[in-house]
Amino acid sequence: DAGVTQSPTHLIKTRGQQVTLRCSPKSGHDTVSWYQQALGQGPQFIFQYYEEEERQRGNFPDRFSGHQFPNYSSELNVNALLLGDSALYLCASSFSLQAGGDYGYTFGSGTRLTVV
Amino acid sequence: GESVGLHLPTLSVQEGDNSIINCAYSNSASDYFIWYKQESGKGPQFIIDIRSNMDKRQGQRVTVLLNKTVKHLSLQIAATQPGDSAVYFCAEGPPGATNKLIFGTGTLLAVQP
Repeated sequence: DAGVTQSPTHLIKTRGQQVTLRCSPKSGHDTVSWYQQALGQGPQFIFQYYEEEERQRGNFPDRFSGHQFPNYSSELNVNALLLGDSALYLCASSFSLQAGGDYGYTFGSGTRLTVV
Repeated sequence: GESVGLHLPTLSVQEGDNSIINCAYSNSASDYFIWYKQESGKGPQFIIDIRSNMDKRQGQRVTVLLNKTVKHLSLQIAATQPGDSAVYFCAEGPPGATNKLIFGTGTLLAVQP
């Protein structure tokens, strides 16, 4: 059973460019959350998608946007890249009706984005 | 911004010893807490969780303690092994939020053989 798959694994972009990161959730999961993890820091919540809509959003500017497709996969887009956007971007999938009340997150291995 | 309060300390232990990793969380109304392990080049991996109506929960070689009075969590790892070497994060689930987690900065656990 495949877990969460993220692509690409590494990416180098120039300041001002735009980037799209992709996530395929674990089989059976319908919710995708995106996190940004700067070096030496804990992950920071960007937003969450469920039923193809953004359900929650963290403290990130509008340059960060996303999408969820009917097959539950998701994309994270970042426009007008800044040097400070360099980080590991993590995707976590979960099932909206997770029994037991726990979050049931499964994380991918992330996309390492470097902005130069 | 929001954060569970940790700077990145390093805990160095000898193989076979017990490890205790501590964490302070920010929201007294948070009702769910998780410990994650993150190895280099990988995403966070679930270790153990606890709800706010509990003080203690045990898993295999791991125990989580929750002190709501002082908003403190700890993770105890028994008989620490070299494979336990990683960064450990605590995370809290704030009330009213759907599956959103707030992470701390993490603690690097280094196990000396």
